[in-house]
Amino acid sequence: GDSVTQMEGPVTLSEEAFLTINCTYTATGYPSLFWYVQYPGEGLQLLLKATKADDKGSNKGFEATYRKETTSFHLEKGSVQVSDSAVYFCALREYGNKLVFGAGTILRVKS
Amino acid sequence: SQTIHQWPATLVQPVGSPLSLECTVEGTSNPNLYWYRQAAGRGLQLLFYSVGIGQISSEVPQNLSASRPQDRQFILSSKKLLLSDSGFYLCASNPDGSSYEQYFGPGTRLTVT
Repeated sequence: GDSVTQMEGPVTLSEEAFLTINCTYTATGYPSLFWYVQYPGEGLQLLLKATKADDKGSNKGFEATYRKETTSFHLEKGSVQVSDSAVYFCALREYGNKLVFGAGTILRVKS
Repeated sequence: SQTIHQWPATLVQPVGSPLSLECTVEGTSNPNLYWYRQAAGRGLQLLFYSVGIGQISSEVPQNLSASRPQDRQFILSSKKLLLSDSGFYLCASNPDGSSYEQYFGPGTRLTVT
C-alpha cells in the first residue's frame, strides 16, 4: 500500500536558522501531497499542498515542491521562529479520499 | 468556511467502561468524515471514515465502532474500553471532493486508567 516516510526528529534549531524536513512517499500514480502542522494540544492544520508534479506549495514562509523523479516533498523554511515549534506531518491522498500520514517530525526552535 | 467541533476535549475513563466521542461539522454539507487516533509520540492512524449517513468503513480491527446518524455528526464509541485505547482522537472533514483536503477538529484526549 501507499506509505510516507519522514525524517526522524526531534529537529532542534536556533531562531532564524534554515529548516528542511525530508519526506518521501511510495504510491501508485501521482497522489496529491500535503504538509500538516500540529501545535501542542491541538488538532492538525493544513500548512500547504501540491496536487501534481513540479507544483510548489507555499504558506507562512514554508515551501515544498512535488518531485516526481525522487518521490519527495521536502518542507523548507528560510528562517524559522520560536512560534514554528510544532509537529509536522507529511501526507498523501490515497484512493478513496483517505490520507496516509508520515510519523511526524517534532521541530523545536530555540531563541 | 467549515468548523469542526469535538466533545469532550479531555476524558479519563476506567478500563471496561463505555465511550462516546462526538464530532459535529458546521459550514458544509455531505462531507466525508474521518476518525483518527494519535498515540503518544506516534503518527496518525485512520480508524473509520464515512461518505454519508449510515455509511461507515473501518480501517483496522479494534475495540471501537463509529456511527453517522446525521449528515454532519460522527460518533466514535466503545462498549468496553481497553488501556490501549488511550490516545488523542481527531475528527476530520473533507468537504471538497476535488481538492481532497481534510480539515481537523481540536481533538479529544482520552486516558484509560
